[in-house]
Order: sequence, then C-alpha cells, then structure tokens
Amino acid sequence: DGGITQSPKYLFRKEGQNVTLSCEQNLNHDAMYWYRQDPGQGLRLIYYSQIVNDFQKGDIAEGYSVSREKKESFPLTVTSAQKNPTAFYLCASSPGLNSPLHFGNGTRLTVT
Amino acid sequence: KQEVTQIPAALSVPEGENLVLNCSFTDSAIYNLQWFRQDPGKGLTSLLLIQSSQREQTSGRLNASLDKSSGRSTLYIAASQPGDSATYLCAVNNNDMRFGAGTRLTVKP
Repeated sequence: DGGITQSPKYLFRKEGQNVTLSCEQNLNHDAMYWYRQDPGQGLRLIYYSQIVNDFQKGDIAEGYSVSREKKESFPLTVTSAQKNPTAFYLCASSPGLNSPLHFGNGTRLTVT
Repeated sequence: KQEVTQIPAALSVPEGENLVLNCSFTDSAIYNLQWFRQDPGKGLTSLLLIQSSQREQTSGRLNASLDKSSGRSTLYIAASQPGDSATYLCAVNNNDMRFGAGTRLTVKP
C-alpha cells in the first residue's frame, strides 16, 4: 500500500537533546512538508521541500533542521535550540502544487 | 502572508442535521483549497480538493464550495451522523499550504 510513514508514534526526550523524526513516503511525490500542531491552533509550517536536495523554511523553522537526500525521505531534527519542542508533528507529501496533500499519522514528541 | 480563519471553532448538532462549516482566507491568489478531517491523535485525511478554477466539489454527503474573489469556502455536510464527529480543517495553497485552526464538530446521537 502506498502511503506516508512517520516513526515513532510517540517520542520522549530530555531537554537539551537533539531528536530526529522520520518521514518516509512511497507515493513517488516530489513535495514533502513538516508541520507542527499545538492544541487549539492550526498546523504551522516548519519546512518544505519541492524537490530532492532543496528545501525552504516555513513560518517556524527556528530550532529545526531538515534534509532531503532522497525523494522518499524527509527527516526532521528538533534541536536543543527549539524553545518549546513538545508538540504533535505531522509530515505530508504531494505530487505537485495543484495536487492534494497526503498526511502521515504523526509523531507526538514530549520533551521534559 | 496568507491568513486562514475557520468559524465556528466548535459546533455541536443532533444527528440528522445538515450543517455548514466556514473557511475564509486573505489572499485570493491561490492554486487550490483542501478540506481535511482529523480524528483525535491522528493525522489528517483529505476530504475534498477544489482547484482555483472550480466553484465546488462533491463527495457523498459532503459538498465544498469556493468563492475565490471573496476569500471564502464552505463545507456542507448533509444528514450528519455521529461518525462525522471530528475536527475539520481547511488549507489554502499559495505555493505552500496554510491551515485554519479547525472546527471541532460533535454530532450527538
């Protein structure tokens, strides 16, 4: 089955540690996105990539980093510089600008 | 910067009612608008995608309309069921996707 896989579903880290969230898609989509969702707020865009080896900052990129070395993979690293990292993180992909966005099931990160 | 607003934030209706969810956006130069459903603790499921050249899309009991010039979209749900209870989000595509905060719908049996 084609889809987007985010792992793990739940992640716990101590403050000051970097952590990497995985996002893999087998849909052959060019574009991939990372969003953060906090209670009572809409999704906020962290980073997006329209093509391999290229990515752009979204609205809240500070404290995060990404890479796009392969078409099917777009990992997100939450660094110790992110002041409030506890949130629900959602990865999405799309074939192109005029096409629907498809989402993974999310990773809930808790930093204590 | 595109701003997307969804009203109401929460809605509770008895089973069987028809209902309308609203989405407004500030920049009309969009490629498309997409409606999603999100169940608690889950990712988003795409419901309908409306291209900028289209006025509406229908899927089963769902109908979404788009008035680009006024910056508005509505999601109409006919004959609501308890299984429709979820948060509904709209997203607007201006080269990246901007989301509203969602409408939390509860359909009571």
